Amino acid sequence: EIVLTQSPGTLSLSPGERATLSCRASQSVSSSYLAWYQQKPGQAPRLLIYGASSRATGIPDRFSGSGSGTDFTLTISRLEPEDFAVYYCQQYGNSPMYTFGQGTRLEIK
Amino acid sequence: EVQLVESGGGLVQPGGSLRLSCAASGFTFGSHSMNWVRQAPGKGLEWVSYISGSSGTIYYADSVKGRFTISRDNANNSLFLQMNSLRAEDTAVYYCARTTVTFDYWGQGTLVTVSS
Repeated sequence: EIVLTQSPGTLSLSPGERATLSCRASQSVSSSYLAWYQQKPGQAPRLLIYGASSRATGIPDRFSGSGSGTDFTLTISRLEPEDFAVYYCQQYGNSPMYTFGQGTRLEIK
Repeated sequence: EVQLVESGGGLVQPGGSLRLSCAASGFTFGSHSMNWVRQAPGKGLEWVSYISGSSGTIYYADSVKGRFTISRDNANNSLFLQMNSLRAEDTAVYYCARTTVTFDYWGQGTLVTVSS
């Protein structure tokens, strides 16, 4: 089973700043089958990025994903107030074991 | 518009059973594999089970294998999760999620609480 480790656990930033979230896999994620989700309190997760770098439908272009192999990054270029949430990475290359990272909480500084 | 609506959650005693449902609309249900994902209170996401569009392929997380059964009714656009021998650690919000490349649409979830 692939284990995903996200860092940092909590990231404190101000609106307008750039956010960089990391996701490291215990072994290579095949074909960059790595996704990122955003979850706000009381809501279901929302798909942001799939295939490591492809934005899902309706996702603003301030969100971008990069990486391959075992190291992946979600970047939010300029934080908006609605971006403060918890972010999860997920691998789906070793289906059907869809493992998730433990999450990064992005909070307002 | 794609919609997934879970139901069937509630309070159940340890060792008890519960059946969750997920009503789908706005897409060709039988063309998509589906999953259940859960989230314990204040915790992260945990994948629970997968079923292909034809029900021909089914998988479970080790934590629920032998206790939970996933199924679907394509004629009625419905997904199910039969949960038996429930434990306190099964307490969570359970989400159904449509699979295209990955989990592209999620329901709002239904809360299952296992407690005496």
